Amino acid sequence: GENVEQHPSTLSVQEGDSAVIKCTYSDSASNYFPWYKQELGKGPQLIIDIRSNVGEKKDQRIAVTLNKTAKHFSLHITETQPEDSAVYFCAAPRGSQGNLIFGKGTKLSVKP
Amino acid sequence: NAGVMQNPRHLVRRRGQEARLRCSPMKGHSHVYWYRQLPEEGLKFMVYLQKENIIDESGMPKERFSAEFPKEGPSILRIQQVVRGDSAAYFCASSPPGQRGTEAFFGQGTRLTVV
Repeated sequence: GENVEQHPSTLSVQEGDSAVIKCTYSDSASNYFPWYKQELGKGPQLIIDIRSNVGEKKDQRIAVTLNKTAKHFSLHITETQPEDSAVYFCAAPRGSQGNLIFGKGTKLSVKP
Repeated sequence: NAGVMQNPRHLVRRRGQEARLRCSPMKGHSHVYWYRQLPEEGLKFMVYLQKENIIDESGMPKERFSAEFPKEGPSILRIQQVVRGDSAAYFCASSPPGQRGTEAFFGQGTRLTVV
C-alpha cells in the first residue's frame, strides 16, 4: 500500500527566510499530491496541490515541486511570516480508490 | 457554497456510551472520508464512503466503529461503548465524483472526549 514519509518533523525559521518541507511516496501510480496547513484547533486546509503531469506549481509565496522519477515532492514557502506558523501535511492517494494517505506532519515555527 | 460541515464540534461521552459524529459534505460532493487525529499526531485514514456504499474501511477498528453515508442526509460515524482511547479529533473530508486524485476538503472536526 501507499506509504508517505515527511521531513523534517519540526522546522524553525526566522521571519523572511524560506522553508522547505519534503515528502516521499511509494506508489508509483500516484498522480496527485496535495499539501495541507493545519492551525491549532482547526481542520486541515488545502493550500496547494500538484498533478503528475507537471513538475512545479506556484501560488504567490508557496510552491510545490514534483520529481516522479525519485518519487518525492516538496513544499517551498518564501518570505515566511509569523502567520505561516502551523503544521503542514503532505499526502498522496492510496491504490486506485483515491483516499489520501498523509505524512506525519511538519510543525513550522516562524520567529518574528 | 458552504464547506464541509461537522457536528458537534465538541462531544463528551462517558465510558460505555455511544458517540455519533455527523458530516455534511460540500454541495456536489459524493465522496466522504473519515480520519482520526490524536494530539500531536498525523491524520489516520478510517473509512471512505460514497452514497450508500462503503468503498474502503481498512482503517476502521473491527469492533464498535461503523460508518454510513445514506442516500439522504449526512454521513455518520458511530462509536459504540466508547473507551478512553477513543478520545481524539475526528475529521471528515469530501471530494467531488471523478477519478482518483481529486481535491479533498476537510471540515473543522469533532473533538471527542471520553471521561
